[in-house]
Amino acid sequence: DGGITQSPKYLFRKEGQNVTLSCEQNLNHDAMYWYRQDPGQGLRLIYYSQIVNDFQKGDIAEGYSVSREKKESFPLTVTSAQKNPTAFYLCASIARDRANYGYTFGSGTRLTVV
Amino acid sequence: QKEVEQNSGPLSVPEGAIASLNCTYSDRVSQSFFWYRQYSGKSPELIMSIYSNGDKEDGRFTAQLNKASQYVSLLIRDSQPSDSATYLCAVLMFSGGYNKLIFGAGTRLAVHP
Repeated sequence: DGGITQSPKYLFRKEGQNVTLSCEQNLNHDAMYWYRQDPGQGLRLIYYSQIVNDFQKGDIAEGYSVSREKKESFPLTVTSAQKNPTAFYLCASIARDRANYGYTFGSGTRLTVV
Repeated sequence: QKEVEQNSGPLSVPEGAIASLNCTYSDRVSQSFFWYRQYSGKSPELIMSIYSNGDKEDGRFTAQLNKASQYVSLLIRDSQPSDSATYLCAVLMFSGGYNKLIFGAGTRLAVHP
């Protein structure tokens, strides 16, 4: 079955540590997105990419980095510069010419600082 | 002004009643609008999309769009306890050659028996 796979489901980060969240899709979608969700809040856009080797900063990119070396993969690194990383992270994708149909979301990664 | 605004709720309705969820947006050129349902701890699930002024019905759900007023709403008829969730309004925005979906903060709906 086609879909988006995010891993791990739960992740614990120590202070000052970089961690990488995985997002893989087998839907042949061009565009991929990373969102962050804090309790009781909506989704805020971190980074997005419409083609391989190209990505754009969203509204809250500081303290995060991404890469898009393959169409299927869009990993997100939460760096030590992100001072409040505890949140629910969601990856989404869409075929670029089908944005009107809405995004498909992965199941999310819950990151906690310990 | 936030790009997409929703009343955070909670909106409490009795089982069988109509739940009405509202959303306003700031970008006048936006053409595509979505409603997602999100259960606690889960990822959002697309339930409705609407692109033209007027109503769009799908089962117990009706989306309404008024582009002149920059307003989109979701009606849930015959509300069930299983409808209890957070409902996210999202607007597709196009800028600099890129599409991006902007979300409201969500409205929490509680349907009580």
